Amino acid sequence: GAVVSQHPSWVICKSGTSVKIECRSLDFQATTMFWYRQFPKQSLMLMATSNEGSKATYEQGVEKDKFLINHASLTLSTLTVTSAHPEDSSFYICSARGRTVFNQPQHFGDGTRLSIL
Amino acid sequence: DQQVKQNSPSLSVQEGRISILNCDYTNSMFDYFLWYKKYPAEGPTFLISISSIKDKNEDGRFTVFLNKSAKHLSLHIVPSQPGDSAVYFCAASSYGGATNKLIFGTGTLLAVQP
Repeated sequence: GAVVSQHPSWVICKSGTSVKIECRSLDFQATTMFWYRQFPKQSLMLMATSNEGSKATYEQGVEKDKFLINHASLTLSTLTVTSAHPEDSSFYICSARGRTVFNQPQHFGDGTRLSIL
Repeated sequence: DQQVKQNSPSLSVQEGRISILNCDYTNSMFDYFLWYKKYPAEGPTFLISISSIKDKNEDGRFTVFLNKSAKHLSLHIVPSQPGDSAVYFCAASSYGGATNKLIFGTGTLLAVQP
């Protein structure tokens, strides 16, 4: 099946630090990548959708300047949490979907556990 | 407003028996539904999907049923195995949407007892 790699898997850093998370599709070209956030015992909440070569579309309530998303190539998208604070601590997961005309599932990375001290 | 709901936060089943996980949705524009399995500290793994033009899709031990009139779908796992123990999320999207973004339910923790 399709493989999506997310790195790093775990980050612990001080408040005020900016953290970059990478999401790569290893065996297919991902025209669309999605970034989710999951709080403990809750569902995955979509943060933003990024299409290769264009600006990301953010969901309501997600700060664009806080969560910078770049999708510069068909195999790589990055999420940068700028000036992270303890309330940004969460589990961040990316997913990717290839070129599609009809329905095609999203394939997920293994997530990044972000802990801000 | 929770558009996709999984009302059972947990389910316990004996090994070899059937596991039935349920999911309800409110948005009639949804026309594509998926089930994902998730282990702790890992990303969701795609299991099975169904388009609204069908009412059943089967893949090995996994079968998804869709009842559009009731806005309800279910995942059947037969026979259940201890390795099936995980959190199961249903998700929905509308093909006509510009981005096909998925709306996830809150998940059901399945525990299969040996």
